[in-house]
Amino acid sequence: KNEVEQSPQNLTAQEGEFITINCSYSVGISALHWLQQHPGGGIVSLFMLSSGKKKHGRLIATINIQEKHSSLHITASHPRDSAVYICAVRKGNEKLTFGTGTRLTIIP
Amino acid sequence: DTEVTQTPKHLVMGMTNKKSLKCEQHMGHRAMYWYKQKAKKPPELMFVYSYEKLSINESVPSRFSPECPNSSLLNLHLHALQPEDSALYLCASSPGANYGYTFGSGTRLTVV
Repeated sequence: KNEVEQSPQNLTAQEGEFITINCSYSVGISALHWLQQHPGGGIVSLFMLSSGKKKHGRLIATINIQEKHSSLHITASHPRDSAVYICAVRKGNEKLTFGTGTRLTIIP
Repeated sequence: DTEVTQTPKHLVMGMTNKKSLKCEQHMGHRAMYWYKQKAKKPPELMFVYSYEKLSINESVPSRFSPECPNSSLLNLHLHALQPEDSALYLCASSPGANYGYTFGSGTRLTVV
């Protein structure tokens, strides 16, 4: 079993819908990261969380340390949000452990 | 400058060639990373440099040789690669353990 599990693996939604991507982890962590990867390959760091909730534009990330769970929400989704969203955890050293990613497709 | 710049963007090399990938950042980040990513898989850590010293080597074959000439530059020297080494090679940097990461756009490597 992977230390970091994401769900769903694939998600297709209509433009404007509210999107939720989930991440569960099984180890103690110092921080959790949400990353976005477009088909071209480059990765953009969206959030780093160690507790609570963060918001940036239409993106909201939450983490529950006790339940070892984090969610990434996208409000008013747009086709340009189509990408792979990756959850990664840091266990106190220099290494990130990655989830397998959620492939999001937003249809106009 | 808030970017990590990787060159080249694409590279095709034969199994007997020697080539290098380059990564540069001017944000004063003290940690720099090389990741390898196969299609539809998450990135896999290869090497970490902290304060220009190699701090993590994830048992990477010796045909991959990292180098950190200064605090802004990270190279990955490639020699005698195999076709299965074809992948996207990503560089990242970070100010430190309690901070986020900045990733480059990657070098897509094809070994023929």
